Amino acid sequence: QKEVEQNSGPLSVPEGAIASLNCTYSDRGSQSFFWYRQYSGKSPELIMSIYSNGDKEDGRFTAQLNKASQYVSLLIRDSQPSDSATYLCAVPTGTASKLTFGTGTRLQVTL
Amino acid sequence: DGGITQSPKYLFRKEGQNVTLSCEQNLNHDAMYWYRQDPGQGLRLIYYSQIVNDFQKGDIAEGYSVSREKKESFPLTVTSAQKNPTAFYLCASSIVAGSYHTDTQYFGPGTRLTVL
Repeated sequence: QKEVEQNSGPLSVPEGAIASLNCTYSDRGSQSFFWYRQYSGKSPELIMSIYSNGDKEDGRFTAQLNKASQYVSLLIRDSQPSDSATYLCAVPTGTASKLTFGTGTRLQVTL
Repeated sequence: DGGITQSPKYLFRKEGQNVTLSCEQNLNHDAMYWYRQDPGQGLRLIYYSQIVNDFQKGDIAEGYSVSREKKESFPLTVTSAQKNPTAFYLCASSIVAGSYHTDTQYFGPGTRLTVL
């Protein structure tokens, strides 16, 4: 089992719809969870961080964390073509400081 | 402006040559990291440093070396021992390493290395 797993996609959603991106992790001791967005050829940029069970909202983005089930998700409301990118889930695993990334889910927002 | 800079943006190397990638940050962050990304793959940790004059190997350190002589600088050398060095190299930093709420990592723009 991979430490951090994501569906590679592509996930295709129409403009204005809700995009739902999921991530599961194996280390039950993880305390921090991050979502990064990466445009093609660019470096990752932080979208959301979440530390507690439940939902955290920031604009059109909502991160959801369920530690008991070991998953974290990212919802993007009112999806825009500019949201088309690869979304990386990152979770500290094992030794502190080691951030393990999933392989990313490619999101395509269609007109 | 505070941030992380990496240079060069593109780098071409002949086989058998060592090259050094630069990473500088003015965020006053204690921790710095080097990742490698291959097409269609996630990021893999090469080395990280939690404090000046100290660093630890990540998951794929073979063929790479680093130094941390100054808080703001964490250069990565790709040696000729690295068998498949062509990749996108990303430097990141965080306030501290592995500490709740201050471990968020921020990335530089990256260096794309191609071995000819």
